[in-house]
Amino acid sequence: GQQLNQSPQSMFIQEGEDVSMNCTSSSIFNTWLWYKQDPGEGPVLLIALYKAGELTSNGRLTAQFGITRKDSFLNISASIPSDVGIYFCAGHSPNTGNQFYFGTGTSLTVIP
Amino acid sequence: DVKVTQSSRYLVKRTGEKVFLECVQDMDHENMFWYRQDPGLGLRLIYFSYDVKMKEKGDIPEGYSVSREKKERFSLILESASTNQTSMYLCASSLYGNRPNEQFFGPGTRLTVL
Repeated sequence: GQQLNQSPQSMFIQEGEDVSMNCTSSSIFNTWLWYKQDPGEGPVLLIALYKAGELTSNGRLTAQFGITRKDSFLNISASIPSDVGIYFCAGHSPNTGNQFYFGTGTSLTVIP
Repeated sequence: DVKVTQSSRYLVKRTGEKVFLECVQDMDHENMFWYRQDPGLGLRLIYFSYDVKMKEKGDIPEGYSVSREKKERFSLILESASTNQTSMYLCASSLYGNRPNEQFFGPGTRLTVL
């Protein structure tokens, strides 16, 4: 299957700090999604990106669809304890029908 | 609100048992998916379905089968469970459309095979 590299694998930050994570693929994607998974729950969609260069915000979260179409970035500003969880990127390639490929996840811990 | 429910949150089975994991969605979505989630590997697609009685293999279908007899229900079957199938299983659904649509996930079933 398609390989998505997500980094960093884990982060430990102080409350109030900003967070950045990214995802890269070996091929071009036409859609990027960012999900958050709380402990013991299924992933929930945060942001969807459909166009190269697109920058979209959802509250304190901002995500960007890379110009090369092979990467995407998620930033969280002024982190709070409830930001704790695993963040996944997911990408869709024109050649894969309705299938999305998921990154390996970034585990975020926020220290109060 | 889209709701995707899974029959069990936690399941413990013995090696060799036949295991059924059930998933139901209430938003009339055409597409349904089964993933397994393992630490360091992210979500890997097992099987998906675009319509009733239709199924397609994902990246890791070996040891699994699926059934979609009704639009709202997608079942994952482990014919003979093995210890390497211990994992978190996530079901998802999405609308069919010209653009790939977001997938809505259930809460997951954590399966342990002893």
